[in-house]
Amino acid sequence: GAVVSQHPSWVICKSGTSVKIECRSLDFQATTMFWYRQFPKQSLMLMATSNEGSKATYEQGVEKDKFLINHASLTLSTLTVTSAHPEDSSFYICSAGGSTDTQYFGPGTRLTVL
Amino acid sequence: ILNVEQSPQSLHVQEGDSTNFTCSFPSSNFYALHWYRWETAKSPEALFVMTLNGDEKKKGRISATLNTKEGYSYLYIKGSQPEDSATYLCAFSEGAQKLVFGQGTRLTINP
Repeated sequence: GAVVSQHPSWVICKSGTSVKIECRSLDFQATTMFWYRQFPKQSLMLMATSNEGSKATYEQGVEKDKFLINHASLTLSTLTVTSAHPEDSSFYICSAGGSTDTQYFGPGTRLTVL
Repeated sequence: ILNVEQSPQSLHVQEGDSTNFTCSFPSSNFYALHWYRWETAKSPEALFVMTLNGDEKKKGRISATLNTKEGYSYLYIKGSQPEDSATYLCAFSEGAQKLVFGQGTRLTINP
């Protein structure tokens, strides 16, 4: 149980384009989902907390207009990187909160912006 | 800024040997300490959520201890096997949801 999928697993895009990443909880309902990113040799850093049916809460330094988060259902949250630039190249990973304090993670998405 | 430190950054252990590594975290405003195992190309897998000072949890050959007063947790692996090779992450939380991660300890088990 508590499986989270993420799609795509990797994506390469041109600078200036937008990329959408999906995060799904497959066997449970998640009122809260989280988006993290990890730059090389660094730790996972929380970008935003997404609550179903309401606006996401962004961490300090994360541009809400650049990283659009939609959590329209209890099993799906999406992260759209708008007008991507090479500095947005990173590993993006989502998690979903279950009934306990544990967060269940997806496998991540490797984004490369050329 | 909350700082979570893990040591060592990487570790090579002979199959069958036991090993342990450390997670250091702020000793104030403690809510929970999480341990995850992350194998390459897979999702991080939750191992333990620890909340009480002095707590010890066990899952098979893996166990963890918690000292919230001094701000550290140890993860122990007994009789290492090749399938234990992974990156082990710890994460500290002040509240129910926001996790602050360490950089991880990359463990390699040599056959």
